[in-house]
Amino acid sequence: DGGITQSPKYLFRKEGQNVTLSCEQNLNHDAMYWYRQDPGQGLRLIYYSQIVNDFQKGDIAEGYSVSREKKESFPLTVTSAQKNPTAFYLCASSAGASLGTEAFFGQGTRLTVV
Amino acid sequence: KNEVEQSPQNLTAQEGEFITINCSYSVGISALHWLQQHPGGGIVSLFMLSSGKKKHGRLIATINIQEKHSSLHITASHPRDSAVYICAVPYRDDKIIFGKGTRLHILP
Repeated sequence: DGGITQSPKYLFRKEGQNVTLSCEQNLNHDAMYWYRQDPGQGLRLIYYSQIVNDFQKGDIAEGYSVSREKKESFPLTVTSAQKNPTAFYLCASSAGASLGTEAFFGQGTRLTVV
Repeated sequence: KNEVEQSPQNLTAQEGEFITINCSYSVGISALHWLQQHPGGGIVSLFMLSSGKKKHGRLIATINIQEKHSSLHITASHPRDSAVYICAVPYRDDKIIFGKGTRLHILP
C-alpha cells in the first residue's frame, strides 16, 4: 500500500545537537512539505519541495535545513541554530500537479529538547 | 483573514451528543482533508473530500464546493473521540493550508 512514513514518533535531543527527522513516501508524489506545530497553535510551513534537488523556504525556515536527493525522501534537520526546537513536526506530500491535489500526511514526530 | 477558518475552536460535549465541526475556506480548491490529532500528537487522516458526503463509522464529512464549506459530524460521541480535528486544503502545488484546529472534549 502506498503511503507516507515519518520516523521516529518521539525524539529527544540534547540542547546544541543537530537532529534529523525522516520522511519517506512511496506515492510517487512530486511535492513534499514539512510543518511545525507548537502547543495550542496551528501548523506552520517550514520547507517544501516541488521536485527533486529543489526546495523552498516556508514561513519559519530559520534553524532548519532539508534535502531532496530522491523523490521518495525529504529529511528535515533541526539544527542547533533553531532556538526553540521542541515542537510537533508533520510531513506531507502531494502530487502537486494541479489545484486541489490530494495530500497525504505522516503521523508526525514530537521532538523534545532536553 | 485566514484562508481556512474552523469553528468552534473548542468544544466540550457530553457522551452521546451529536457533534458538528465546521471548516470554511476562501481559496479555490477541489479537495479538502479532515485530520484527527490525539493528545499524544499523532496525526490520522480521516477523510479526503472533493464533493458530497463520506461516512466512516460514526464520522460523517460533507463538503459544498460552491459555498466553500465543509463539516465534520460525529454521531453518538464517545470520550475516545476527544482530540483536535483539523481541516487541510491542498492549494496550488506549493501549499497545503491548515485550519487552526477544533479541540473536542467529550465528557463521560
